[in-house]
Amino acid sequence: NAGVTQTPKFQVLKTGQSMTLQCAQDMNHNSMYWYRQDPGMGLRLIYYSASEGTTDKGEVPNGYNVSRLNKREFSLRLESAAPSQTSVYFCASSELHGANVLTFGAGSRLTVL
Amino acid sequence: GENVEQHPSTLSVQEGDSAVIKCTYSDSASNYFPWYKQELGKGPQLIIDIRSNVGEKKDQRIAVTLNKTAKHFSLHITETQPEDSAVYFCAASIRGRTGGGNKLTFGTGTQLKVEL
Repeated sequence: NAGVTQTPKFQVLKTGQSMTLQCAQDMNHNSMYWYRQDPGMGLRLIYYSASEGTTDKGEVPNGYNVSRLNKREFSLRLESAAPSQTSVYFCASSELHGANVLTFGAGSRLTVL
Repeated sequence: GENVEQHPSTLSVQEGDSAVIKCTYSDSASNYFPWYKQELGKGPQLIIDIRSNVGEKKDQRIAVTLNKTAKHFSLHITETQPEDSAVYFCAASIRGRTGGGNKLTFGTGTQLKVEL
């Protein structure tokens, strides 16, 4: 049982480049989330998908887009990367949006030069 | 929106001692308070949670207390062990509210180091 799988684990980009972070869960969870983690700032919600077919902005959505491809997969796209997007990104899922018990992936460390 | 403050940012204790991490929240409607542990190189993992109708909850060496009047809650770890070394996050949300109102708001984290 893999849980939540994120790819890639590490990525270095130049300013202006684009990339997509992939996330997949095998727990049949309905809700999925993307967080970023920065030193001294904890975990901040970027976007979430309460259920398949819906997506909503979180606390820090600017510069990102998301796609809920199907029930298992939720991707995060940076169209034009900026140094301020250097961070560790975590995907998470929960059985229901109101349940709040999150299962996190191992994280993706992104550096934008 | 909800604001969660967490203290201290770093905490160093001797093995066997107790550790206490404190959080305050701003939204009096918040009713669900989980604690997550993040080990090095891994994602956060839920270790214990408490709902607003309960004042204290224990699970072996870990306990969480909640003071709704003062809007603060704390994590207590007794008889600390080296494997307790990690980053701990508190969080708050309004469980049961639909739409965007039940998102978890996290504290800024506490780096706990248990020294031998």
